[in-house]
Amino acid sequence: DAGITQSPRYKITETGRQVTLMCHQTWSHSYMFWYRQDLGHGLRLIYYSAAADITDKGEVPDGYVVSRSKTENFPLTLESATRSQTSVYFCASRLAGLTYEQYFGPGTRLTVT
Amino acid sequence: AQSVTQLDSHVSVSEGTPVLLRCNYSSSYSPSLFWYVQHPNKGLQLLLKYTSAATLVKGINGFEAEFKKSETSFHLTKPSAHMSDAAEYFCVVIAASLYNQGGKLIFGQGTELSVKP
Repeated sequence: DAGITQSPRYKITETGRQVTLMCHQTWSHSYMFWYRQDLGHGLRLIYYSAAADITDKGEVPDGYVVSRSKTENFPLTLESATRSQTSVYFCASRLAGLTYEQYFGPGTRLTVT
Repeated sequence: AQSVTQLDSHVSVSEGTPVLLRCNYSSSYSPSLFWYVQHPNKGLQLLLKYTSAATLVKGINGFEAEFKKSETSFHLTKPSAHMSDAAEYFCVVIAASLYNQGGKLIFGQGTELSVKP
């Protein structure tokens, strides 16, 4: 049972490049989320998705794009990476309904130089 | 608006002694509350959750938390610390509103637990 996986686990990229972080879950959870974790800010929601083809912004969506063509995948794209997007990115998922607990992937550590 | 405040940024205990990590919440509604743990370079793992059933909630690895509405607290405890408990702990509340962004989790700033041998 793989659960929720993220790839790559580590990524170094240059300012201005496009980079895509992948998230895959095997539970058929309806909801998926992208958070970033930064010192002093805790975890902040970037985007979330309630189902395939339904996505919406979180607290800090600027500079990011998401898509969800299949229930199990929720990629996050940085269209033109900036140094301020250096962070650890976590994907999470949960069931629909009132069971609000989210299950997190292992994270992707992204460095933008 | 919902929020959580973790009262200690760092707690240090000796192995075998009790652990207390403090969390106060603010919520206009009956909240759903969670504790998550994050070991170094790992993802977040759900320790336990409170969803308006029993006020004393038992979680994994011997942790428990008590929901006290009168004190707006949800402190995490463990009777006897183990070296493997060293990690960062997050108190979390669900954003409760008509538009809650899919059940957005609102995180406290985290408490780093150190366990001395």
